[in-house]
Amino acid sequence: TQLLEQSPQFLSIQEGENLTVYCNSSSVFSSLQWYRQEPGEGPVLLVTVVTGGEVKKLKRLTFQFGDARKDSSLHITAAQPGDTGLYLCAEIYNTDKLIFGTGTRLQVFP
Amino acid sequence: DADVTQTPRNRITKTGKRIMLECSQTKGHDRMYWYRQDPGLGLRLIYYSFDVKDINKGEISDGYSVSRQAQAKFSLSLESAIPNQTALYFCATSDSGHLKQFFGPGTRLTVL
Repeated sequence: TQLLEQSPQFLSIQEGENLTVYCNSSSVFSSLQWYRQEPGEGPVLLVTVVTGGEVKKLKRLTFQFGDARKDSSLHITAAQPGDTGLYLCAEIYNTDKLIFGTGTRLQVFP
Repeated sequence: DADVTQTPRNRITKTGKRIMLECSQTKGHDRMYWYRQDPGLGLRLIYYSFDVKDINKGEISDGYSVSRQAQAKFSLSLESAIPNQTALYFCATSDSGHLKQFFGPGTRLTVL
């Protein structure tokens, strides 16, 4: 089973700061998704990346898929308290099942 | 109304008890999944079903069983609960041919 390591495990920052979280694999990803999970709720899909080197933007969030498809990053510009949550990467395997990473818990203080 | 609902939302039980967690969806999706979430381990797949007559084991199926009663309903059972099954349990759905899974709000299960 592929291992997806996310770093950092915890991140606590002030509103307005920038941050980057990482997702790394022991082998090549097929496709990768990023989810955000808020307390008391299930994960919600943010983006799917498929092609090595791909960059996708979602407002203040920028997602990058490594050229070799073994890593991915999520960069948040000017973080806001509403960005607080657990960020999970997940690999899609066999076209329809997910392997989740260990997660990065982000806290943004006003 | 929520598209994917789970009942109960919270449950405390004792070792050895049989527990059933239920999931219902109104999205019309054919695929349903059960995951458990533990701190520092992310979500791990327990069972999944691609249609009413299709049931498959996931990564951590030991100690669990499932039933797909209808396209819209997928229940997870713990036949004899043990403390290390204390976790958050999530149900998810997806449409065949689509990569996006939709998650329910979760059930927090505590086994004493």
